[in-house]
Amino acid sequence: DADVTQTPRNRITKTGKRIMLECSQTKGHDRMYWYRQDPGLGLRLIYYSFDVKDINKGEISDGYSVSRQAQAKFSLSLESAIPNQTALYFCATSDLRRDYGYTFGSGTRLTVV
Amino acid sequence: DAKTTQPPSMDCAEGRAANLPCNHSTISGNEYVYWYRQIHSQGPQYIIHGLKNNETNEMASLIITEDRKSSTLILPHATLRDTAVYYCIVRVAPFSIIQGAQKLVFGQGTRLTINP
Repeated sequence: DADVTQTPRNRITKTGKRIMLECSQTKGHDRMYWYRQDPGLGLRLIYYSFDVKDINKGEISDGYSVSRQAQAKFSLSLESAIPNQTALYFCATSDLRRDYGYTFGSGTRLTVV
Repeated sequence: DAKTTQPPSMDCAEGRAANLPCNHSTISGNEYVYWYRQIHSQGPQYIIHGLKNNETNEMASLIITEDRKSSTLILPHATLRDTAVYYCIVRVAPFSIIQGAQKLVFGQGTRLTINP
């Protein structure tokens, strides 16, 4: 099983719909992140969380919200999806105590029509 | 975090060493150099990181210049599976508890193509 699991892998939704992307991890890491990737723009940070009670905005948080339900779970919500939120979304984790790099999930490809 | 500059693309023959450069002239003393790669829309994969000494692991070697203003990632015997976008990232000490210190900021990276 993957260390960082994202669901769904692919999703097509309509403009205005609410959608949730889920991320769970088995690495025991305390820190979790959501990134989005658009062609030619690299990865951009949406939100990050250093523990269950800590949520921080990244560089492009408008239109998104997150929930850290447990140390192992970090969900990203689009309250009212719009077409320019069509992108590849990645969840990642890291550990303050043993920082040998982030571990990324396999991604969720979201299309808003 | 310091800004990095990488060439947009590079080619390398299979079996040869691939040397990927990165400039980070504004790096400060407590900032590390990290390398990640992303193979065709998969999640980015951590490769290696270092502060000022050269580092080597099972995947690659990292050479950091003495003034720390640039570095080179070396894949010693490139294979076709090494074709990917490689990202050079600079950020503060990994064990820092400063708010936001562990954010990874990705640039455009270098698209490395390994040719048969």
